[in-house]
Amino acid sequence: AQSVTQPDIHITVSEGASLELRCNYSYGATPYLFWYVQSPGQGLQLLLKYFSGDTLVQGIKGFEAEFKRSQSSFNLRKPSVHWSDAAEYFCAVGAAIYNQGGKLIFGQGTELSVKP
Amino acid sequence: NAGVTQTPKFQVLKTGQSMTLQCAQDMNHNSMYWYRQDPGMGLRLIYYSASEGTTDKGEVPNGYNVSRLNKREFSLRLESAAPSQTSVYFCASSETIGAIQETQYFGPGTRLLVL
Repeated sequence: AQSVTQPDIHITVSEGASLELRCNYSYGATPYLFWYVQSPGQGLQLLLKYFSGDTLVQGIKGFEAEFKRSQSSFNLRKPSVHWSDAAEYFCAVGAAIYNQGGKLIFGQGTELSVKP
Repeated sequence: NAGVTQTPKFQVLKTGQSMTLQCAQDMNHNSMYWYRQDPGMGLRLIYYSASEGTTDKGEVPNGYNVSRLNKREFSLRLESAAPSQTSVYFCASSETIGAIQETQYFGPGTRLLVL
């Protein structure tokens, strides 16, 4: 069965520091992978996605993620964190079935706090 | 462009009451989904509709029913609410072509409290 694990429930970083959020997945085939961000009281916004091709993908707000098949990982990174990045981040794996829609399996989420 | 809209934004129910959560999308997507979000558990799929006229169960369907009213609208019904259904509910939509998993776009959520 597909699953996603985000090992870190809560991370605190200083503004201007680099950030890496971890995501490990279990999936039998080539996965579709996503990172979403959720600000307090808001819906989910797509940061970036991986379908195929280049394993380093760029997203919005200066985020990037690297797909590593050998490690079953899709970690999210940002070189310099801004206070506005404080939010909850979700990793998800897609499980599309032919003509039956695509279902996302989400990780538990990582809450990011940013110190001034 | 409104994207995915949900009504209501917040609702308080008593145990045993029923209600319907409404969702509409204006992106002409063929697939729509209902998720619930609980602390420490991420989002879990309740029901989904791959295309107009079809619905299927997700990971946590018990206690819920859905209706795909047309291509734009997908409603979630709680027939007899229970405190365990206290959660934040998100509707999402995507274009699904064959086996391609396209991006899902989410609504702002409905916060439901069952007393």
